Amino acid sequence: EDKVVQSPLSLVVHEGDTVTLNCSYEVTNFRSLLWYKQEKKAPTFLFMLTSSGIEKKSGRLSSILDKKELSSILNITATQTGDSAIYLCAVNAGNNRKLIWGLGTSLAVNP
Amino acid sequence: DGGITQSPKYLFRKEGQNVTLSCEQNLNHDAMYWYRQDPGQGLRLIYYSQIVNDFQKGDIAEGYSVSREKKESFPLTVTSAQKNPTAFYLCASSISAGTYEQYFGPGTRLTVT
Repeated sequence: EDKVVQSPLSLVVHEGDTVTLNCSYEVTNFRSLLWYKQEKKAPTFLFMLTSSGIEKKSGRLSSILDKKELSSILNITATQTGDSAIYLCAVNAGNNRKLIWGLGTSLAVNP
Repeated sequence: DGGITQSPKYLFRKEGQNVTLSCEQNLNHDAMYWYRQDPGQGLRLIYYSQIVNDFQKGDIAEGYSVSREKKESFPLTVTSAQKNPTAFYLCASSISAGTYEQYFGPGTRLTVT
């Protein structure tokens, strides 16, 4: 059965810290891995990683796909209170074109 | 402004009543999706549609129904057969089904008592 596992489930840091969130997957026919940020309502898209694009960066956020280890990390440097959110990882796999979602990592950044 | 809208934001219903949640997008996306989100369970796919007049069951379709008569619209009906309908419902769309990112609407929180 296809699955996506995120760790840790929750994390509390202080402003200015650097955090690393993990996403590992076991799926058939991997196509892409996506990261989303969810504050109070709708998840907002952060990055999509594929075999041809294994590293993405936007400001203080960056993500790397390790196809050998079947995992991805999301790094946030110099964290701010506005980074507090649930970070979701999803994998597009197989022929049915559905996304398989992890449970998310809840990040709290304290001032 | 392009985007996905869901209405209403909050919805209250009595047990035994059917209720329809609205989802509209003006992104010209072919694919649309309905998810349910419960605490500690992540996002679970209810139904998805890859193209107009076509839709497929997701992982938890029992007690739900959808239609896709227009490209822009993908309403979800929560029927009285759904055992635990109280949840946060999210609609999403993507350019097409496949390796494209999905964009989400703001969600509808349904409470059934």
